[in-house]
Amino acid sequence: DAGVIQSPRHEVTEMGQEVTLRCKPISGHNSLFWYRQTMMRGLELLIYFNNNVPIDDSGMPEDRFSAKMPNASFSTLKIQPSEPRDSAVYFCASTEKERANTGELFFGEGSRLTVL
Amino acid sequence: AQSVTQLGSHVSVSEGALVLLRCNYSSSVPPYLFWYVQYPNQGLQLLLKYTSAATLVKGINGFEAEFKKSETSFHLTKPSAHMSDAAEYFCAVSEPGRRALTFGSGTRLQVQP
Repeated sequence: DAGVIQSPRHEVTEMGQEVTLRCKPISGHNSLFWYRQTMMRGLELLIYFNNNVPIDDSGMPEDRFSAKMPNASFSTLKIQPSEPRDSAVYFCASTEKERANTGELFFGEGSRLTVL
Repeated sequence: AQSVTQLGSHVSVSEGALVLLRCNYSSSVPPYLFWYVQYPNQGLQLLLKYTSAATLVKGINGFEAEFKKSETSFHLTKPSAHMSDAAEYFCAVSEPGRRALTFGSGTRLQVQP
């Protein structure tokens, strides 16, 4: 089975530019999560979806960040405008209904964002 | 609110030595607990999980962890370290019915030859 697929793996952009990160969850998984990893703050939950509906977006830093899940096989995380402090590795993870209540997640390889 | 504390951001052991990575949790209800491993430039991979069954949990690659409610701990151990165990290890907690995980700050394990 294919795992969680994220793109791009690496992105370097200039401050003020729009950044879009993409995620394809594992087929059949109905919960999707976006996490951000930095040296200073570790792994932080940004938002998660259940059946394509955002359930908890309390971790989204500010209005510059937005996430969508238009269908069960695709999600985006958008930053507009980007700032240097947004530089981080962004992970997407998914899980299936049977594992949902135990919180076991399957992670993608991450998108490393550098904002200059 | 749930939280996890990992004692020691870096641990160094010799190949063949015991590995002990410490994790303490805080949760208002009986938690689910996890250890994940992250190799360089990769995503997180589940090592093992505790979901209120046996308190001693065995995972992949020879790792195990013991849930101790009285100590609110879930330490990760491996009897004999291998060079391939060098990675960053994350303890995580979730509450039943809540899908999202809360992660600790991570412990980087170095294995010396």
